[in-house]
Amino acid sequence: DAKTTQPTSMDCAEGRAANLPCNHSTISGNEYVYWYRQIHSQGPQYIIHGLKNNETNEMASLIITEDRKSSTLILPHATLRDTAVYYCIVVVWGNKLVFGAGTILRVKS
Amino acid sequence: GAVVSQHPSRVICKSGTSVKIECRSLDFQATTMFWYRQFPKQSLMLMATSNEGSKATYEQGVEKDKFLINHASLTLSTLTVTSAHPEDSSFYICSARRAGGPHEQYFGPGTRLTVT
Repeated sequence: DAKTTQPTSMDCAEGRAANLPCNHSTISGNEYVYWYRQIHSQGPQYIIHGLKNNETNEMASLIITEDRKSSTLILPHATLRDTAVYYCIVVVWGNKLVFGAGTILRVKS
Repeated sequence: GAVVSQHPSRVICKSGTSVKIECRSLDFQATTMFWYRQFPKQSLMLMATSNEGSKATYEQGVEKDKFLINHASLTLSTLTVTSAHPEDSSFYICSARRAGGPHEQYFGPGTRLTVT
């Protein structure tokens, strides 16, 4: 599965949109982009996933570039409860998830 | 829906004893469950993949005789840490993939193991 690169940490003001980038320049055509987050001392939580098209659900939006080499997770109105480590994972459908270091998102009031 | 539970949430045991951790999918059937370990300030490390009714597949470097995994039903997997030592102290997290459904994995809340 392709490797991903994420910033180590980001800050976001409460109520503003949080945009978390992920670089996956070696992604293959059959690999999906998945996002999970982990709030301190809890198990990871599924957020969203996509293959080519942009996706939106009740939690977030996922924007994938046309060449699929990068993507951005958007939390439209960040709250303090969104403070967590966000993991971008690229994986072939049905394969196991391998977690990298992720991005620490700190939402500040 | 898609709730995964773990029991116990915290456990303290003495060095040399064994500890069993249960992982249950509460509202769905899971053909595949995964076990991860997470040390402080580190990411999750996949330990093994278990499929219902078959032997678990362990990741490189994980001792299968030390970390016994049983996936006896479509809703239950157990991880037994045998002859635990202080270096086994960690946060153990399971996840489950829904049978015949969406691909995403649903994670349990984790079990904090402390070996004294």
